[in-house]
Amino acid sequence: GESVGLHLPTLSVQEGDNSIINCAYSNSASDYFIWYKQESGKGPQFIIDIRSNMDKRQGQRVTVLLNKTVKHLSLQIAATQPGDSAVYFCAENYASGGSYIPTFGRGTSLIVHP
Amino acid sequence: KAGVTQTPRYLIKTRGQQVTLSCSPISGHRSVSWYQQTPGQGLQFLFEYFSETQRNKGNFPGRFSGRQFSNSRSEMNVSTLELGDSALYLCASSNQGATGNTIYFGEGSWLTVV
Repeated sequence: GESVGLHLPTLSVQEGDNSIINCAYSNSASDYFIWYKQESGKGPQFIIDIRSNMDKRQGQRVTVLLNKTVKHLSLQIAATQPGDSAVYFCAENYASGGSYIPTFGRGTSLIVHP
Repeated sequence: KAGVTQTPRYLIKTRGQQVTLSCSPISGHRSVSWYQQTPGQGLQFLFEYFSETQRNKGNFPGRFSGRQFSNSRSEMNVSTLELGDSALYLCASSNQGATGNTIYFGEGSWLTVV
């Protein structure tokens, strides 16, 4: 399928391992953060979000950690599966005009080996 | 519930031409946003429409424009196409505002400018 994820950082893991994907953000005014998964040939898919008044949020097999002091976000995927192989990127959002303006990270390519 | 639908999926245009891309949001969603995704720049926010009004705009030249209709469907237009406009153009819809921004992406329109 088509891909726009050329020359991205790559994380290779074995099936069943835990994966950690990191993201640095830049805008101190950002107060809402989202992780997306993008499979080849598809649009990004929402995984999990977190607000700036939290430092941890858990979903199904995923956990997001937020460190506002160093402007760092991480996504932890437990028991990684081959179906998790995709490009993952974070988005920092700041409120504007009744909505949010997003800025996206460049993405990390996760490869899960069976 | 049908997802976000974008048309056309693929198109090839010549430098100097203009192009119009269409997006049908998820039923009930009133916010539609547009993004450009390239290997070099990653995913970038173009603009967002809500109730037929542009609510936010990214840092793109005036050649990039959009509009939203009363049924929430949206179009974006790029005039005087340049080679660098070759990209995947993604549309996303949302039914939330400043309380959150869970957006649902379509599969995109692949534009090649030759």
